[in-house]
Amino acid sequence: DTEVTQTPKHLVMGMTNKKSLKCEQHMGHRAMYWYKQKAKKPPELMFVYSYEKLSINESVPSRFSPECPNSSLLNLHLHALQPEDSALYLCASSPAGRDYGYTFGSGTRLTVV
Amino acid sequence: EDKVVQSPLSLVVHEGDTVTLNCSYEVTNFRSLLWYKQEKKAPTFLFMLTSSGIEKKSGRLSSILDKKELFSILNITATQTGDSAVYLCAVDKIQGAQKLVFGQGTRLTINP
Repeated sequence: DTEVTQTPKHLVMGMTNKKSLKCEQHMGHRAMYWYKQKAKKPPELMFVYSYEKLSINESVPSRFSPECPNSSLLNLHLHALQPEDSALYLCASSPAGRDYGYTFGSGTRLTVV
Repeated sequence: EDKVVQSPLSLVVHEGDTVTLNCSYEVTNFRSLLWYKQEKKAPTFLFMLTSSGIEKKSGRLSSILDKKELFSILNITATQTGDSAVYLCAVDKIQGAQKLVFGQGTRLTINP
């Protein structure tokens, strides 16, 4: 298995909703990432987990809450989002040494209404 | 501040043409430079470059890194309509934790 799987592929949520994005990989990668990508912009790093511990939080608002339950799973919990949070959310993983680069999932396209 | 700049931002060519995409960078603690192709969703990994002057090739695509002048190029020969995509350049840094710094991307359109 050489993929990063993200669910759901599309999500529409209201500003008062609570939802979660899921990411899964079975490549034995020990680093996992959340990126946010707005239309026609490059991906921007949000969070990095290394060996299931949060190692980077790029000053992301607390309405985004990451969780890494085990080495294969990464979640992003969403609460009280704003319309400007609408974007493509990409998950990625890499071996700890990053000698083979990063593998990205197909993303969840999130729309906040 | 770390910076990765790609040029051109947009390029339209005819099928069969050869294109060269550019990526220059100014980052501290450089580790490697990566090229990705993004069509609709997931960026797809193309190349990772760590050493200067060593060309990496995959079919019609090739890339090379110049660590002295701080740039990389991505060449695509005999372009096909399926090459139409956004090509992203990113720099990986040596630091306590991993962080990719992306350029703005080059939107390549191949017309039949």
